[in-house]
Amino acid sequence: KQEVTQIPAALSVPEGENLVLNCSFTDSAIYNLQWFRQDPGKGLTSLLLIQSSQREQTSGRLNASLDKSSGRSTLYIAASQPGDSATYLCAVRGNTNAGKSTFGDGTTLTVKP
Amino acid sequence: DTEVTQTPKHLVMGMTNKKSLKCEQHMGHRAMYWYKQKAKKPPELMFVYSYEKLSINESVPSRFSPECPNSSLLNLHLHALQPEDSALYLCASSQRGGKGNTGELFFGEGSRLTVL
Repeated sequence: KQEVTQIPAALSVPEGENLVLNCSFTDSAIYNLQWFRQDPGKGLTSLLLIQSSQREQTSGRLNASLDKSSGRSTLYIAASQPGDSATYLCAVRGNTNAGKSTFGDGTTLTVKP
Repeated sequence: DTEVTQTPKHLVMGMTNKKSLKCEQHMGHRAMYWYKQKAKKPPELMFVYSYEKLSINESVPSRFSPECPNSSLLNLHLHALQPEDSALYLCASSQRGGKGNTGELFFGEGSRLTVL
């Protein structure tokens, strides 16, 4: 059974800092890994998706990396802004056509002005 | 169009009521999902539909009844719910896994359900 862990559970940083969020998973037989952002009471917004054959993806100030062999992914946020404050979730999709994704508990990020 | 639309946004129901949540997507995705999310917890998978057929049921109580009438629509019928069923219900869609498909999940904004 896939288990996904996110560290830290919460993070508070001053505006402008670069930061890294971590996601680890126990079963390396994955189809993809997806990073989401969730604002309170809202749905999940997809930030980046890394397929199992890829090592990293970039979008604007965001960079996600994937190391399947060690069961780890990181989300790097450059020059953080107060608008980045949200909960960040990683989800790992298993390597079958059934489409089941396992979520981590998330990291709640607060960026202070 | 990368939207998944869920209605209603908010629903309050009594334990004897029957109600439905609806989800719609027009991205041509053939996999659709229901997730349940409690406060400060990650989403929990409830059901997966693949090509309009139920492929995964995560041992969800029968008071939740999913339905996929066509490739664009997904319903969740609710009956005789308990107060502990109050949560944010999220719908998602994706391409099925397989060659050439990323399997990226797209979520709706959710339906906030309160059971009195």
